[in-house]
Amino acid sequence: DIQMTQSPSSLSASVGDRVTITCRASQDITDDLGWYQQKPGKAPKRLIYAASSLQSGVPSRFSGSGSGTEFTLTITSLQPEDFATYYCLQHNDYPQTFGQGTKVEIK
Amino acid sequence: EVQLVESGGGLVQPGGSLRLSCAASGFTFSSYVMSWVRQGPGKGLEWVSSISDSGGNTYYADSVRGRFTISRDNSKNTLHLQMNSLRAEDTAKYYCAKWRWGSGYSWGQGTLVTVSS
Repeated sequence: DIQMTQSPSSLSASVGDRVTITCRASQDITDDLGWYQQKPGKAPKRLIYAASSLQSGVPSRFSGSGSGTEFTLTITSLQPEDFATYYCLQHNDYPQTFGQGTKVEIK
Repeated sequence: EVQLVESGGGLVQPGGSLRLSCAASGFTFSSYVMSWVRQGPGKGLEWVSSISDSGGNTYYADSVRGRFTISRDNSKNTLHLQMNSLRAEDTAKYYCAKWRWGSGYSWGQGTLVTVSS
């Protein structure tokens, strides 16, 4: 199975900060990776697909990069509505696997 | 607009069974891979199972293989998850999700399963 190691598990940041979250795959997954945002009590929401493509309607302050085994989600100029938990998901092979999640909290 | 509405969750004793359903609308159901993803209380997301568009191929997490069965009825636009031999660690919110290559998952709102005596 492909393991996804996501870091950090949590971070504190201020409105306007730049935030970076990383996912590492245990083997090459090319660009078969997505990023999801989840707010408490809500279903996850798609942000990024194919490692770096922005979902329609998602603000451009969100971006993804990487391929192979190293991937990054960056939020430039963090906004109040961005405080949430973020997950990466690899779909290169079954079983699909999520990262452990990164909780972005207000400093 | 994609709509996925889960049902069938509830309280069940350890060793019991439960059948979840997901009613899909707003897209051509028979053309998409469908999945179940769960989230235990205070925990992260865990992929549980997927089924191909025709239903001919199914995939399971090791944690549920042999106990859970995913199925679909393309004539009724419905996805199911039959859960047998339930354990306390199966307690979670179960999300129905539509998979689109190149786009990722669209999600329902989830149904809560609690396994407890």
